[in-house]
Amino acid sequence: GAVVSQHPSWVICKSGTSVKIECRSLDFQATTMFWYRQFPKQSLMLMATSNEGSKATYEQGVEKDKFLINHASLTLSTLTVTSAHPEDSSFYICSAIGLAGGNEQFFGPGTRLTVL
Amino acid sequence: AQSVTQLGSHVSVSEGALVLLRCNYSSSVPPYLFWYVQYPNQGLQLLLKYTSAATLVKGINGFEAEFKKSETSFHLTKPSAHMSDAAEYFCAVRALFKTIFGAGTRLFVKA
Repeated sequence: GAVVSQHPSWVICKSGTSVKIECRSLDFQATTMFWYRQFPKQSLMLMATSNEGSKATYEQGVEKDKFLINHASLTLSTLTVTSAHPEDSSFYICSAIGLAGGNEQFFGPGTRLTVL
Repeated sequence: AQSVTQLGSHVSVSEGALVLLRCNYSSSVPPYLFWYVQYPNQGLQLLLKYTSAATLVKGINGFEAEFKKSETSFHLTKPSAHMSDAAEYFCAVRALFKTIFGAGTRLFVKA
């Protein structure tokens, strides 16, 4: 199946700093990418949907100035957590749908963010 | 709008016993339905999916699920649990280009 990678797999940062997480589709072109966050022992909550070359669509309650999403190419989307605070500590997972369409989202392995 | 309800946040079975994880959905349009498994600190792995073809869907690792429109259900089953099946399972519904996940069910398998 198609492969989605995330980098880094884990990151620890100080409060107030910004962190960038990359999501790449390795063997297919992704027209649409999704960003989710998952708190411990909870489900995945959709944060935003991004289409290549256009602005991301954020879910209600997600601060777009806090979580900056860039989908500059068909294989790369980035999520930047700006001025991170301890409450932003979470597991962030991206997923992608390919140009070929179909019904399956391919998920990245996730990035564990810990803000001290 | 769509939503997913997974009944039971925890399910415990003995090794070799039947596994049944329940999922009910609501959707304003015909949905695609999925089951994913997640191991600790890992991403999601697709177990199986329903995409309006056969209502009984077979997936990996011996899992299967049946789409019942009248009951708006998509329960996941496996005839005989294995220790390696212990994980978190998520039911998801995709409609209108958005995938919504259920709260998850943690499966415990006792020796």
